[in-house]
Amino acid sequence: DTAVSQTPKYLVTQMGNDKSIKCEQNLGHDTMYWYKQDSKKFLKIMFSYNNKELIINETVPNRFSPKSPDKAHLNLHINSLELGDSAVYFCASSQLDIGPGGYTFGSGTRLTVV
Amino acid sequence: ILNVEQSPQSLHVQEGDSTNFTCSFPSSNFYALHWYRWETAKSPEALFVMTLNGDEKKKGRISATLNTKEGYSYLYIKGSQPEDSATYLCAFNTGTASKLTFGTGTRLQVTL
Repeated sequence: DTAVSQTPKYLVTQMGNDKSIKCEQNLGHDTMYWYKQDSKKFLKIMFSYNNKELIINETVPNRFSPKSPDKAHLNLHINSLELGDSAVYFCASSQLDIGPGGYTFGSGTRLTVV
Repeated sequence: ILNVEQSPQSLHVQEGDSTNFTCSFPSSNFYALHWYRWETAKSPEALFVMTLNGDEKKKGRISATLNTKEGYSYLYIKGSQPEDSATYLCAFNTGTASKLTFGTGTRLQVTL
């Protein structure tokens, strides 16, 4: 049973398209995150939701819109995709007060914009 | 801006060697320091979460220490094995609802 699952694993799309990445966790965590791994392999926070409420919103273009229908799901929608959006996107979850288990990460979605 | 720095950037050791890496972070507004192990083509997995100055954690051959006053943490691997090959990330946050800021990692390669 996968704890944090992301779909799709790979996404190849053309510039200008709109796409979504889905994330679901079955750990009972109350907080979920989206991180972007940039070209230098650096993990950078994009958004965080706690019980469906946005609590962290880093400086991310407003073409990126997260949606949390319930605390077990956090989806990422990206409008008007650009070449620079190509990256690996990781979803993660934890309790708000991060315990000894830290974050649990999904396996990542490799987005390629052509 | 919260900077988390890790050194060395990469490390190549022989099987059986013991090794250690450093993570430095801002010592003000400290809440927690995390270590993650990230194997190629997989997702990061939590090793330790440390909150108290002087904390020491151990999991098998891997251990970590924390100094919040001076802003550093060490990760030690005793008797490295090829399966220890991975990138080791540290991350830091300043409060319950604050983001984890990650370092760029130390890439360890263990050869026979």
